[in-house]
Amino acid sequence: DAKTTQPPSMDCAEGRAANLPCNHSTISGNEYVYWYRQIHSQGPQYIIHGLKNNETNEMASLIITEDRKSSTLILPHATLRDTAVYYCIVRVAYGGNKLVFGAGTILRVKS
Amino acid sequence: KAGVTQTPRYLIKTRGQQVTLSCSPISGHRSVSWYQQTPGQGLQFLFEYFSETQRNKGNFPGRFSGRQFSNSRSEMNVSTLELGDSALYLCASSLEEGARKLFFGSGTQLSVL
Repeated sequence: DAKTTQPPSMDCAEGRAANLPCNHSTISGNEYVYWYRQIHSQGPQYIIHGLKNNETNEMASLIITEDRKSSTLILPHATLRDTAVYYCIVRVAYGGNKLVFGAGTILRVKS
Repeated sequence: KAGVTQTPRYLIKTRGQQVTLSCSPISGHRSVSWYQQTPGQGLQFLFEYFSETQRNKGNFPGRFSGRQFSNSRSEMNVSTLELGDSALYLCASSLEEGARKLFFGSGTQLSVL
């Protein structure tokens, strides 16, 4: 699985959009980009995933650059409950359920 | 639908003992994987089970083992506990192998004294 690089921490004002970047410059053509988050004292929670097209669901949007070497997770209207560690993971689809977690980005949403 | 259930939530053991942790996946999910989380190493993959067979294993010593039962429930065992085994142990379930989405439990916090 390709390695990912994320900033260690970010702050965001409540109600504003939170944009979390991820670099995955060695991503292969058959690897997807996944985002999970972990709120304190809980297990990780799936947010969204994508291959090359931008994706949106009820939680967030995922923007993947055309060369697929980086992506941005967007939380459109961050709330205090979005304070968590956000993990960007690259993995091959249907290659088992092994996820390789990096250090992630600590997002602090402030009022 | 109930989520992934892990028991116990907290556990305290002493060095040299062994421990068994339990995970009940979401109903209908057939794949279970285990992760260890420590402040120093972060989240690390332990192993993955599907249809009672271990499909994948992380880089952990043989003291760490697991199994899956016919109802998809899973247990992991750590023998001869060491202080460094103190961690949050997380279980995740999914419908199948290579599923797009994993569902994690809240974990078992193990403290080894």
